[in-house]
Amino acid sequence: DTAVSQTPKYLVTQMGNDKSIKCEQNLGHDTMYWYKQDSKKFLKIMFSYNNKELIINETVPNRFSPKSPDKAHLNLHINSLELGDSAVYFCASSQDHPRLGSGANVLTFGAGSRLTVL
Amino acid sequence: GQSLEQPSEVTAVEGAIVQMNCTYQTSGFYGLSWYQQHDGGAPTFLSYNALDGLEETGRFSSFLSRSDSYGYLLLQELQMKDSASYFCDRGYQKVTFGTGTKLQVIP
Repeated sequence: DTAVSQTPKYLVTQMGNDKSIKCEQNLGHDTMYWYKQDSKKFLKIMFSYNNKELIINETVPNRFSPKSPDKAHLNLHINSLELGDSAVYFCASSQDHPRLGSGANVLTFGAGSRLTVL
Repeated sequence: GQSLEQPSEVTAVEGAIVQMNCTYQTSGFYGLSWYQQHDGGAPTFLSYNALDGLEETGRFSSFLSRSDSYGYLLLQELQMKDSASYFCDRGYQKVTFGTGTKLQVIP
């Protein structure tokens, strides 16, 4: 069983379209994240949810809207896609709460979703 | 700005030892974690140092010096499969990764 699964794995779309990426974890973790990894391989956090509550919201355009229907799911919806949105988007989960935990806060990542905007 | 600094690239020979450094800002620090990411793959957790000193797990060791705001990942008996990017993270509030070091192992 895949611990953190995200779909789709590849997404090619035109500028201006709206798309969603889904993520599910079966680890029983309380916290989930979305990261963006650009062509320079820099991993940047976008959002984090703990038990369906938004706890981290980095400086991300409001075209990006996360939704967490329950603590096992965190979806990412992107409106009006732009060329600069092309990247690999990783979903991750952890048991620890990033603002309270002082331990390793080990992240388990999904396989990534490669978004290409034409 | 970026609060974790790592060299961008390192090349080492198969069978050798390589050290990859990470320096960080001290504002908000719990411990230093390391992740490995192969090209086209997802980052995977390698190790965590909460206290100063060396932590060893097989061929991989990780070191932390809080007084120097510095840590490193040491890989011994390098294998070709170790070619990957290695990220450090200071585990504070949000998980913020360093810029990553791309390790290339050559025969």
